[in-house]
Amino acid sequence: AQSVTQLDSQVPVFEEAPVELRCNYSSSVSVYLFWYVQYPNQGLQLLLKYLSGSTLVESINGFEAEFNKSQTSFHLRKPSVHISDTAEYFCDSSVGMIYNQGGKLIFGQGTELSVKP
Amino acid sequence: GAGVSQSPSNKVTEKGKDVELRCDPISGHTALYWYRQSLGQGLEFLIYFQGNSAPDKSGLPSDRFSAERTGGSVSTLTIQRTQQEDSAVYLCASSLHQGLEQFFGPGTRLTVL
Repeated sequence: AQSVTQLDSQVPVFEEAPVELRCNYSSSVSVYLFWYVQYPNQGLQLLLKYLSGSTLVESINGFEAEFNKSQTSFHLRKPSVHISDTAEYFCDSSVGMIYNQGGKLIFGQGTELSVKP
Repeated sequence: GAGVSQSPSNKVTEKGKDVELRCDPISGHTALYWYRQSLGQGLEFLIYFQGNSAPDKSGLPSDRFSAERTGGSVSTLTIQRTQQEDSAVYLCASSLHQGLEQFFGPGTRLTVL
């Protein structure tokens, strides 16, 4: 069965500090991996995705994640966070269309990132 | 271009009543998904449409839940005889084709008293 585990429910950090949000997945088949972000009182937005190719993927606002097949991880990192990064972050997996699963997302439990001044 | 829209944004109902939640996907998106976000369960998949058919209904929690999609566009999620445990935010997402990036609507917050 496919599952996603986010190891930290809450991560408090000071502004301009580095941050890592951890995500591990479990699947017997190849998966696509995503990070979605939900800002306060807003809908879910795609932050970045890994489908194939380079294992390091980046977002436009400085986040990056690395797909590590041997460790079944897809941790999200940012070298210097801003107050505006305060949000809930969800790690997700999908088996896409390959196995006729329709691309439904399996969500992790979410990590609340709280950036303090 | 318009994103995914959902209505109503908030719905308060009494236990035992039926409710209908609506989703308007992005025009041209063939795949449509319903998810539920609740405190105890996190984000859960409910049902997925490809066109007007639903190949995967595996996430619907009970037979009180049903959904349809018409014209390859608008979808309605219906909950019959609502229970307090149905209280949650119901999210709709669409994608150009199944397996690609999903765009989420703002959600409908359902409260069952």
